[in-house]
Amino acid sequence: DAGITQSPRHKVTETGTPVTLRCHQTENHRYMYWYRQDPGHGLRLIHYSYGVKDTDKGEVSDGYSVSRSKTEDFLLTLESATSSQTSVYFCATMGDYLNEQFFGPGTRLTVL
Amino acid sequence: GENVEQHPSTLSVQEGDSAVIKCTYSDSASNYFPWYKQELGKRPQLIIDIRSNVGEKKDQRIAVTLNKTAKHFSLHITETQPEDSAVYFCAASSRDNAGNMLTFGGGTRLMVKP
Repeated sequence: DAGITQSPRHKVTETGTPVTLRCHQTENHRYMYWYRQDPGHGLRLIHYSYGVKDTDKGEVSDGYSVSRSKTEDFLLTLESATSSQTSVYFCATMGDYLNEQFFGPGTRLTVL
Repeated sequence: GENVEQHPSTLSVQEGDSAVIKCTYSDSASNYFPWYKQELGKRPQLIIDIRSNVGEKKDQRIAVTLNKTAKHFSLHITETQPEDSAVYFCAASSRDNAGNMLTFGGGTRLMVKP
């Protein structure tokens, strides 16, 4: 499982509240990614990081921000959660000389 | 950007039969094509991948074929078993500063009936 953990694993929150999801890796992988998974849409890239403090937007970045202050941690923040952000969120990592992305266990977020 | 279409969305086969899942991609610059298997409630896991300089790759009962000209690639599972039941995702990417920017297909739910 490439030493990837996500916290929390489940969260229920209300519309308009801020939410932060954490991805932690122990593999010293350079690249980290946040995806959301919704029925019929597969996995869609939200944001990614190619190094400490180096991040960029993915396909569905509106309403999300990220930060990476250490190699091992990649945070995803929903500044003001909306019901459309109810989803399962997966973090993934990849090493410098590999092509495989390793996924974390996922976080199920419900926004009421 | 890249667009990946995956068919069928659901596939039901009898145990022992073969299963084929097909994907098409739009960006001719894509050069890496992984397939992920996701069991219910679990994380996606890589089962096989292929680079654009190879036309076919096999690993025991699974194989992937790639047609760069037509921009499509397929996953073949032979002698299916109940434990092959899962959702399968194809993806396409080209490596750049972001590492591998994977664009995923919508997924295929494979059901293998005993």
